[in-house]
Amino acid sequence: DQQVKQNSPSLSVQEGRISILNCDYTNSMFDYFLWYKKYPAEGPTFLISISSIKDKNEDGRFTVFLNKSAKHLSLHIVPSQPGDSAVYFCAASGYGNKLVFGAGTILRVKS
Amino acid sequence: KAGVTQTPRYLIKTRGQQVTLSCSPISGHRSVSWYQQTPGQGLQFLFEYFSETQRNKGNFPGRFSGRQFSNSRSEMNVSTLELGDSALYLCASSLGDIPTGNSGYTFGSGTRLTVV
Repeated sequence: DQQVKQNSPSLSVQEGRISILNCDYTNSMFDYFLWYKKYPAEGPTFLISISSIKDKNEDGRFTVFLNKSAKHLSLHIVPSQPGDSAVYFCAASGYGNKLVFGAGTILRVKS
Repeated sequence: KAGVTQTPRYLIKTRGQQVTLSCSPISGHRSVSWYQQTPGQGLQFLFEYFSETQRNKGNFPGRFSGRQFSNSRSEMNVSTLELGDSALYLCASSLGDIPTGNSGYTFGSGTRLTVV
């Protein structure tokens, strides 16, 4: 039972344009949502998070939007840069110090 | 400060063997969590240790076990290896005093296990 889903395995975007990565979840008990970025041969690195009591959180070029009624969140990257090319994981927490991850979306930013 | 260190980086084992992976968390971090990453499956939670006690456990068979030492270093053991155990095993550390995932973990670079 996948509680966190990233339905797009990959996304290709032109440099300078907006990248939008999507994530859906099924469990309404999740209280925090996080995005991680992963390069090959490295561990995931924390990017940005959002509490379930908010609908938007912004950090530089990265913004996460949360739509609780739709159980949907998205990560916007503006402007996209070639160095943003990586695998992006959406994750949710709500049960102790444990994260439930989506399967990941490969982002390719073309220059 | 030093990050999360996982050893070894790469490992090749034969079916039926057992393997032990090691994780040294960030100094001062008391919680260590283990995840398995396979293509298309994302990261699957194995277990979490806090102050030498297993605090959370995922849905993996009993062949997967772990422990944590008094210095917070953790080991993960997989017995009777199967081909399907081939994966990247990631360790993550956090302060963990209050169970929360909102600040995010710090992950190690992982151990790539290949079972042949």
